[in-house]
Amino acid sequence: GAVVSQHPSRVICKSGTSVKIECRSLDFQATTMFWYRQFPKQSLMLMATSNEGSKATYEQGVEKDKFLINHASLTLSTLTVTSAHPEDSSFYICSASPFDYGYTFGSGTRLTVV
Amino acid sequence: TQLLEQSPQFLSIQEGENLTVYCNSSSVFSSLQWYRQEPGEGPVLLVTVVTGGEVKKLKRLTFQFGDARKDSSLHITAAQPGDTGLYLCAVNFGNEKLTFGTGTRLTIIP
Repeated sequence: GAVVSQHPSRVICKSGTSVKIECRSLDFQATTMFWYRQFPKQSLMLMATSNEGSKATYEQGVEKDKFLINHASLTLSTLTVTSAHPEDSSFYICSASPFDYGYTFGSGTRLTVV
Repeated sequence: TQLLEQSPQFLSIQEGENLTVYCNSSSVFSSLQWYRQEPGEGPVLLVTVVTGGEVKKLKRLTFQFGDARKDSSLHITAAQPGDTGLYLCAVNFGNEKLTFGTGTRLTIIP
């Protein structure tokens, strides 16, 4: 079946540094990928839509300069959290839609900023 | 603003009991999906419902799409500890973006 691979699964970084999270579609091409953020005990909130070969579309309230998205190929999207702060600590999840109705999700990245 | 309200938010029941989780909205949807998410993992698609009034069964799980396509329910029969997780309904508003409900965190006590 369609698989989305996300890496790393866990990362701890110091305040002020940047962290890159990768999202790959393993057996299908994804012109569009989605990035979500999830706080403890809460649902997933869409952050941005990643578009292959063009700029990402960000949801209202999401800082473009803090959450840099690059979708340089049909199988890879990256999310870079720049100048990370403790409040950026969260669970980040990517997804893609390999077929009409369904969405496949990565296994998530637990980011802890210390 | 969350457009999909799920209830209850939290539910803890004994193994073997039955339960129903609800997903409600004031909007009409062409389709609705249910996902289950376990800690530290991404959501996994359980089912997609498309037709108003549609009922789908997945082993002990029964999903129903409301006649007006504004709401949905998930009923679990004889709950098992393996059913523990976060249950999320989700819809696509026609622009490829998937919006999730507020979620129901289910705990089955052995």
